[in-house]
Amino acid sequence: EAGVVQSPRYKIIEKKQPVAFWCNPISGHNTLYWYRQNLGQGPELLIRYENEEAVDDSQLPKDRFSAERLKGVDSTLKIQPAELGDSAVYLCASSLDRTAGQFFGPGTRLTVL
Amino acid sequence: DQQVKQNSPSLSVQEGRISILNCDYTNSMFDYFLWYKKYPAEGPTFLISISSIKDKNEDGRFTVFLNKSAKHLSLHIVPSQPGDSAVYFCAAAVQGGSEKLVFGKGTKLTVNP
Repeated sequence: EAGVVQSPRYKIIEKKQPVAFWCNPISGHNTLYWYRQNLGQGPELLIRYENEEAVDDSQLPKDRFSAERLKGVDSTLKIQPAELGDSAVYLCASSLDRTAGQFFGPGTRLTVL
Repeated sequence: DQQVKQNSPSLSVQEGRISILNCDYTNSMFDYFLWYKKYPAEGPTFLISISSIKDKNEDGRFTVFLNKSAKHLSLHIVPSQPGDSAVYFCAAAVQGGSEKLVFGKGTKLTVNP
């Protein structure tokens, strides 16, 4: 069974530039999560989707971050414009439903110069 | 304020010996706890979990102990193997809301041959 797929794996951009991350969850998983992991920290939830609906985006900095999950499968997380403090690993995870265990992708390491 | 704390950033043990990783939490609403293992350039992988109705859960070489009165849990790995070298994250959730995991900062375990 294929795991959670994320791309790109690495991204280097200059501040004020836009950037987007893509996630393909495990087939059949209705719940999708985006986390941010800063250096030396644990993952922190940014947004959770149940199918197409964003049901918890309380930790998403909405002035510059946006996310979508069209058709309830793939998801894209966007930052515009990026700031130096956005340098982190962005992890996508999925689960069968809100109570099931979460499976993580390999993450996208973003460096903002 | 960190709700899940892993106070040891790193731990080094000899192959064959026991590894004990510790985790403390402050939110008394947490009733479901998980350990994740993370290798470099990979996403976290679920290892073992425990519900607050139990005080111990075992899976092969891995055992998690929960002390609710002390708000403390630990992960024991016996015997430790070099392949266990990774960063271990403790996570906590409110069951029924286990989609919202709160992670600790992680402990880097090194098992020396």
